[in-house]
Amino acid sequence: AQSVTQLDSHVSVSEGTPVLLRCNYSSSYSPSLFWYVQHPNKGLQLLLKYTSAATLVKGINGFEAEFKKSETSFHLTKPSAHMSDAAEYFCVVSSFSGNTPLVFGKGTRLSVIA
Amino acid sequence: GAVVSQHPSWVICKSGTSVKIECRSLDFQATTMFWYRQFPKQSLMLMATSNEGSKATYEQGVEKDKFLINHASLTLSTLTVTSAHPEDSSFYICSATGGLAYEQFFGPGTRLTVL
Repeated sequence: AQSVTQLDSHVSVSEGTPVLLRCNYSSSYSPSLFWYVQHPNKGLQLLLKYTSAATLVKGINGFEAEFKKSETSFHLTKPSAHMSDAAEYFCVVSSFSGNTPLVFGKGTRLSVIA
Repeated sequence: GAVVSQHPSWVICKSGTSVKIECRSLDFQATTMFWYRQFPKQSLMLMATSNEGSKATYEQGVEKDKFLINHASLTLSTLTVTSAHPEDSSFYICSATGGLAYEQFFGPGTRLTVL
């Protein structure tokens, strides 16, 4: 069985300061891990993915995440927040194959204050 | 990247009517498609998995007679909400995968409001 825990339901940062969105996972298999972003009333956009290659994964819009097996974590970071980063972020786990369903975390709402 | 479309993007219907939502993979063949629903301010919950040419696999608690899924071709899956009621109002999102990559590609979602 697989599961994802996003440790914060809401994170608020000032524009220009670092962003940290925390995610822990549980998986019986070597997991694939993803971060998706969803703006209000919009679909999902893939930020980045980990699929057993490099543990530090760089994504779009300056986001990156580090896979730490010992801590079962996959935290999302960005050095400097922008107003346009305000959105809902989902940490997602899947098994090896793309044909299996994704398991979503409950989401973290990121607010960026001017 | 690969593109998945959904139609309609939003729909309002009366209670008791049926609504069909289409999910299309525009530039790849989708061997597997997934249907999710998302209530306001909540996460996505998987409803069912459909493989082209076979019956969909529904998650526990999802009524297969109410949410009819058809995956008749490698580029099209449809979700029909039969005899819709206000509690079916939600954001329905599909995703598709060609199976070779780890990534699923998501459609933009369909907002269903049942009056």
